[in-house]
Amino acid sequence: RKEVEQDPGPFNVPEGATVAFNCTYSNSASQSFFWYRQDCRKEPKLLMSVYSSGNEDGRFTAQLNRASQYISLLIRDSKLSDSATYLCVAHPLFGNEKLTFGTGTRLTIIP
Amino acid sequence: EPEVTQTPSHQVTQMGQEVILRCVPISNHLYFYWYRQILGQKVEFLVSFYNNEISEKSEIFDDQFSVERPDGSNFTLKIRSTKLEDSAMYFCASNGRGQGGELFFGEGSRLTVL
Repeated sequence: RKEVEQDPGPFNVPEGATVAFNCTYSNSASQSFFWYRQDCRKEPKLLMSVYSSGNEDGRFTAQLNRASQYISLLIRDSKLSDSATYLCVAHPLFGNEKLTFGTGTRLTIIP
Repeated sequence: EPEVTQTPSHQVTQMGQEVILRCVPISNHLYFYWYRQILGQKVEFLVSFYNNEISEKSEIFDDQFSVERPDGSNFTLKIRSTKLEDSAMYFCASNGRGQGGELFFGEGSRLTVL
């Protein structure tokens, strides 16, 4: 089983719609989670950290469910500029330093 | 805004040749990393570097790979004898307080091995 698993998509969503992505992780020792955004042939950039209590940043809401080992990202009122690949990332709190990336979910916002 | 810079942006090399990829991390950052992304695949951790030594490396980072910080600003990744499967985008990243925080990635160096 992959350490971090995401639906690769693509998700083709009309502008203004709400879209949600899920991600599952297999390593229960993973403690920190993040959503990164990657535009085509560009570097990953941190979108937001994910907390158990859930967190919101403008149109973006991230949620962590430790019991089910999944992370979600919700984008409301989607914009054309939201078109990108969204990477789910896990990190253990102790021990090794590596971030484990999912393969990403590709989102295209359609005008 | 401070940024991580990488050179070259694209390098084409013959199989068996040595390649050095260069990175200038953000100046007050202490933790440095190399990741790679084969086309169409996920971003994979290669190595982390702190206090002038490797702190962790993945199974990908075999004896053909090495890193160094020769002059306090540059952070380099050397591949001694490139293989076809080394073709990928190599991303340098830095962080001010370990991987619990945000990683700042450079724009990447695309390596093509022929």
